[in-house]
Amino acid sequence: DVKVTQSSRYLVKRTGEKVFLECVQDMDHENMFWYRQDPGLGLRLIYFSYDVKMKEKGDIPEGYSVSREKKERFSLILESASTNQTSMYLCASSLFLGDTQYFGPGTRLTVL
Amino acid sequence: QKEVEQDPGPLSVPEGAIVSLNCTYSNSAFQYFMWYRQYSRKGPELLMYTYSSGNKEDGRFTAQVDKSSKYISLFIRDSQPSDSATYLCAMSGGSNYKLTFGKGTLLTVNP
Repeated sequence: DVKVTQSSRYLVKRTGEKVFLECVQDMDHENMFWYRQDPGLGLRLIYFSYDVKMKEKGDIPEGYSVSREKKERFSLILESASTNQTSMYLCASSLFLGDTQYFGPGTRLTVL
Repeated sequence: QKEVEQDPGPLSVPEGAIVSLNCTYSNSAFQYFMWYRQYSRKGPELLMYTYSSGNKEDGRFTAQVDKSSKYISLFIRDSQPSDSATYLCAMSGGSNYKLTFGKGTLLTVNP
């Protein structure tokens, strides 16, 4: 059974803090993705990675960075958290680009 | 025109009803079509996957793709309260190697 896990379900941080969100997949997938999901805006792609140490910007990369040092692990970093980054963050993975993606349970981040 | 349009609802039906959820799209290169179900405060889970045109059935769920009309549908027969969730369509194909998602339709099935 496919499995994508995220480090936290709920997270509360203060403005200006550095925030790390971690995602791990056990399916040996090449591709991993970070999305944020907001009411009325749907899923928006922040960054994705198609190989270890390789990354590409998605639709809304500003204020975020990513790291992929190992195939199974993909981290999203908020260098200096701001209140407008309060959101649900979802990680996903896929075998091929354009293929079905498998999602983790999500991290609900609140920035105060 | 947005690439993928999906009526956000909300849609409220009685238990046992047949539910029809739909998406329209503008990119004729799309050829892979998916439906995801997302329960409140959870991640989306893959429900159905179809390639190109035609129907695919899995239990109470049927996915339908009409590429000529650029229209996809998900039918739920004998709907149950446990089907209450947000349903997201997604698609990809051609030079668009990323998934393009609809914004989701919120469905409530009332006992």
